[in-house]
Amino acid sequence: DGGITQSPKYLFRKEGQNVTLSCEQNLNHDAMYWYRQDPGQGLRLIYYSQIVNDFQKGDIAEGYSVSREKKESFPLTVTSAQKNPTAFYLCASSRLQAGWGGQPQHFGDGTRLSIL
Amino acid sequence: GESVGLHLPTLSVQEGDNSIINCAYSNSASDYFIWYKQESGKGPQFIIDIRSNMDKRQGQRVTVLLNKTVKHLSLQIAATQPGDSAVYFCAEYTGTASKLTFGTGTRLQVTL
Repeated sequence: DGGITQSPKYLFRKEGQNVTLSCEQNLNHDAMYWYRQDPGQGLRLIYYSQIVNDFQKGDIAEGYSVSREKKESFPLTVTSAQKNPTAFYLCASSRLQAGWGGQPQHFGDGTRLSIL
Repeated sequence: GESVGLHLPTLSVQEGDNSIINCAYSNSASDYFIWYKQESGKGPQFIIDIRSNMDKRQGQRVTVLLNKTVKHLSLQIAATQPGDSAVYFCAEYTGTASKLTFGTGTRLQVTL
């Protein structure tokens, strides 16, 4: 079945530690996204990528980093500079937006990150 | 700034009744809209979408209505079932920004 796989489902971070969240898709989508979801709030865009080896900051990129070495993979690193990392992190993918008009984004089942 | 919002944070309906979830958007340049369903502990699931050149689109048990005059979007669910209980988000796409903006969500509770 085609889809988006996020791992791990739960993750704990110690003070001063960087952690990396995995996101893999087999939908052959060019674009991939990372969102953060806090309780009672909508999704906020962290980073997105429309092509391999290229990515752009979203609305809340500070304290996060990404890479896009392969089309199917878009890992997110939550660095120690992110002072409030506790949240539900969602990865999504879609066909290219620009030039195609809006396209639906398909989501994984998220990683819940907590502070120890 | 542009935003997508919802009128009702929680909607409670009886099983078998129809549900209507509303969404207001503020960016008149938005040209594509999506409704998502999110169950507890899971990622949002695509339900239905609509482009700005349409005012109505139907799927299986769901209908989305778009009123561009008043910048209003609604999701209608026919014969609501217990499995429809979830949080529903609307999202708008603005071509100039090339990104989706999500609302905060409405929780739908289906009572037996």
